[in-house]
Amino acid sequence: KNEVEQSPQNLTAQEGEFITINCSYSVGISALHWLQQHPGGGIVSLFMLSSGKKKHGRLIATINIQEKHSSLHITASHPRDSAVYICAVPRSSGSARQLTFGSGTQLTVLP
Amino acid sequence: EPEVTQTPSHQVTQMGQEVILRCVPISNHLYFYWYRQILGQKVEFLVSFYNNEISEKSEIFDDQFSVERPDGSNFTLKIRSTKLEDSAMYFCASSTWGGELFFGEGSRLTVL
Repeated sequence: KNEVEQSPQNLTAQEGEFITINCSYSVGISALHWLQQHPGGGIVSLFMLSSGKKKHGRLIATINIQEKHSSLHITASHPRDSAVYICAVPRSSGSARQLTFGSGTQLTVLP
Repeated sequence: EPEVTQTPSHQVTQMGQEVILRCVPISNHLYFYWYRQILGQKVEFLVSFYNNEISEKSEIFDDQFSVERPDGSNFTLKIRSTKLEDSAMYFCASSTWGGELFFGEGSRLTVL
């Protein structure tokens, strides 16, 4: 069964700062998901990646399959980026759709 | 932009009552999911559904839970006899094969 660890649990940044959130998992996977949970509770998928790097606007996600580690970066952070960021991976190598979720990183960006 | 819609947004029920949560997935998606999040805890997988049958389910998804796609658009989660510990936010999601998940806004269930 895959174990997911995210760090940090909480992160406060000033507007404009570069943000990094980390995710480590224990079992080899087909793809890793980065999700954003809004203060109201809704969840949005940011990235699904299986190798290398993906970029969308100010967000960049990287994954190192050998090290079982992924990072989510936010460049030029803004108060509207304040949310919980969650990493999720398949529960096991044979279970692509049964995801195990990290505890999330609460990001607060101050103006 | 296509979206997953869920109803109701909030339901309050008495312990022991049956509850049905409804979801309309994105129309060209074939995989459907239910997740739940107890207040202050991690999101947890409940069940995935494909081709009119359950493809995977977690230990949480016991005999009290069932899912159904009663027509071509709706996907429902039924809890037969609610318990206090079923109080949570329930999220529906859908995807194409191998694609990203699209989540609904969630249905908050409060069991009294």
